[in-house]
Amino acid sequence: NAGVTQTPKFRILKIGQSMTLQCTQDMNHNYMYWYRQDPGMGLKLIYYSVGAGITDKGEVPNGYNVSRSTTEDFPLRLELAAPSQTSVYFCASSYSSVQPQHFGDGTRLSIL
Amino acid sequence: GQQVMQIPQYQHVQEGEDFTTYCNSSTTLSNIQWYKQRPGGHPVFLIQLVKSGEVKKQKRLTFQFGEAKKNSSLHITATQTTDVGTYFCAGATGNQFYFGTGTSLTVIP
Repeated sequence: NAGVTQTPKFRILKIGQSMTLQCTQDMNHNYMYWYRQDPGMGLKLIYYSVGAGITDKGEVPNGYNVSRSTTEDFPLRLELAAPSQTSVYFCASSYSSVQPQHFGDGTRLSIL
Repeated sequence: GQQVMQIPQYQHVQEGEDFTTYCNSSTTLSNIQWYKQRPGGHPVFLIQLVKSGEVKKQKRLTFQFGEAKKNSSLHITATQTTDVGTYFCAGATGNQFYFGTGTSLTVIP
């Protein structure tokens, strides 16, 4: 049972480039989340989804986009990378809004 | 907007001493979860509290949810080096969870 899988684990981007962070879960969870964690800080919710075809903004959605075409996958898209988006990105999933969240190992993204 | 504050930000304790971190929300929460993140790792779920005034224990860890469901605490008795990490609370309002800023615990052997 793989749980929540994130790829890539590390990435360096140039300013203005775009990329997609992949997240997939095999637990048949309805809810999926994207967080960013800046050094020494807590987690900020970027986007979340309560099921396939449904997404909603979190606290810090600017500069990001998501889609949820299947229950398993919840990719996060950065269109025009900026240095302020340098962070560790965590994807998480849960069965419902009142169930524990299961986190992936994270993607460490640097934008130079 | 919704805010979940945690104090202290950092705590250094001698092994065997107790440790407490506090979590405070600006609004009433439907439930609160606690997570532990080891250095370089990802958050791992510890426990969830739902009821007003609820107290739960996991071995040396005691979790409490305030009567007004706006604050919570995590207390570790007799810390061990394995307790090292950052402890986060996450308060739920609707479908969103708001993570606290975390308390980084260092245990000195």
